[in-house]
Amino acid sequence: QVQVQESGPGLLKPSETLSLKCTVSAYPLSSGFYWGWIRQAPGKGLEWIGSIYHSGSTFYNPSLKSRVTISVDTSKNQFSLKLSSVTAADTAVYYCARQIVGTSGLDYYMDVWGKGTTVTVSS
Amino acid sequence: QSVLTQPPSVSGAPGQRVTISCTGSSSNIGAGYDVNWYQQLPGTAPKLLIYVNNNRPSGVPDRFSGSRSGTSASLAITGLQAEDEADYYCQSYDSSLSGSWVFGGGTKLTVL
Repeated sequence: QVQVQESGPGLLKPSETLSLKCTVSAYPLSSGFYWGWIRQAPGKGLEWIGSIYHSGSTFYNPSLKSRVTISVDTSKNQFSLKLSSVTAADTAVYYCARQIVGTSGLDYYMDVWGKGTTVTVSS
Repeated sequence: QSVLTQPPSVSGAPGQRVTISCTGSSSNIGAGYDVNWYQQLPGTAPKLLIYVNNNRPSGVPDRFSGSRSGTSASLAITGLQAEDEADYYCQSYDSSLSGSWVFGGGTKLTVL
């Protein structure tokens, strides 16, 4: 059964760079699919951050694109998120997820989610 | 402001039927892109509930169903149970700007 699990520092200061990893179990990243990051600010809804295809091509939320980098390490079966110049507005639970293609090449849904990791930005 | 609009809350008594709407536009649902639904129980990660408009993953009861028409989609829950109390999110693809996957703002379902 495919599982994903987030890891990384839980506390950052403003202007620092957030770095998280997502470790995938029971499925080789290189075999296919998109792998994405989604976040949820306290008491708010879900926000898609960005995704990486198994080949390494990336797709970012236009509102975060200037600060986001997602990369993949197939040797470790992990993919990573970097978000630069964080502020208090980036405080959230960060989830990683596997994305499966739907009807068209643009339709993807998230079928496997991690439990999430809480990141707090505070001075 | 979410690209997909959901009512903030809905409620129903046990055994009743409730629906949650998800209203989009011509750049997402209206363009024919799939609508997916997620259930988030309190304090837990989201879980896929409906995919590709009206399909249920293994293990999801048939009390849950999805539909889509025009620029909107709906999630229906019949035979409401206390365990259904959760937040529900719709999700689709939006082709405006550079394109992105988008979520609705979420709907809190309260079982009375």
